[in-house]
Amino acid sequence: QVQLVQSGAELKKPGASVRVSCETSGYSFTEYFVQWVRQAPGQGLEWIGWVNPTTHGTDFAQRFQGRVNIVADPSTNTAYLELRSLQSDDSAFYFCARGGRVGTYLWLAYFDYWGQGTLITVAS
Amino acid sequence: QSVLTQPPSASGTPGQGVTISCSGGTSNIGGNAVNWYRQFPGTAPKLLIHSNNQWPSGVPDRFSGSKSGTSASLAISGLQSEDEGDYYCATWDDSRNSFVFGTGTTVTVL
Repeated sequence: QVQLVQSGAELKKPGASVRVSCETSGYSFTEYFVQWVRQAPGQGLEWIGWVNPTTHGTDFAQRFQGRVNIVADPSTNTAYLELRSLQSDDSAFYFCARGGRVGTYLWLAYFDYWGQGTLITVAS
Repeated sequence: QSVLTQPPSASGTPGQGVTISCSGGTSNIGGNAVNWYRQFPGTAPKLLIHSNNQWPSGVPDRFSGSKSGTSASLAISGLQSEDEGDYYCATWDDSRNSFVFGTGTTVTVL
């Protein structure tokens, strides 16, 4: 069955960087985009960006441009979210999700399988 | 920050029906398919409806989606206690070039 398993919770200081992993299984990794979404405690869902594991192409929400990267490693079926210059309002659960078949229009995508979430806490 | 507006809460008694609205604009709902997710506290969201009105495998047909113009709706019939949770609409936004989520609706079964 399709599974996405994320790395564990992390505590970071303001200004630091964090990398969250998302190991996938049960499907062909290079056939689907991997999406990242975050959720601050008690708040709604916010899309961060995607990676195409075939081309390694990426795109990000405007508010994260310049301090985020998403990479995909087909040799381990794992995607990584890297977020730099962390501030307290980056404290949130970060989710990866399978979203959109490579080769189809991304605006038709829906996120059908999700990782369990990784809590990132930014505090001094 | 959310560009899709949902009512904060909705409720009903067991067996009743509940409808959740999702209001957007021409750059998002008006031109793109809407998906719905449900989230229980402390867990990841789960896909409930995709492409406006399609069921993923395993989702009961008590849940149904629809779209008209720049608004979408999720209807839950035969409400059950396990339907309690947070529901989010989502779609692509052409002007932001990004996926956007609704503000979320908490469903309570009375």
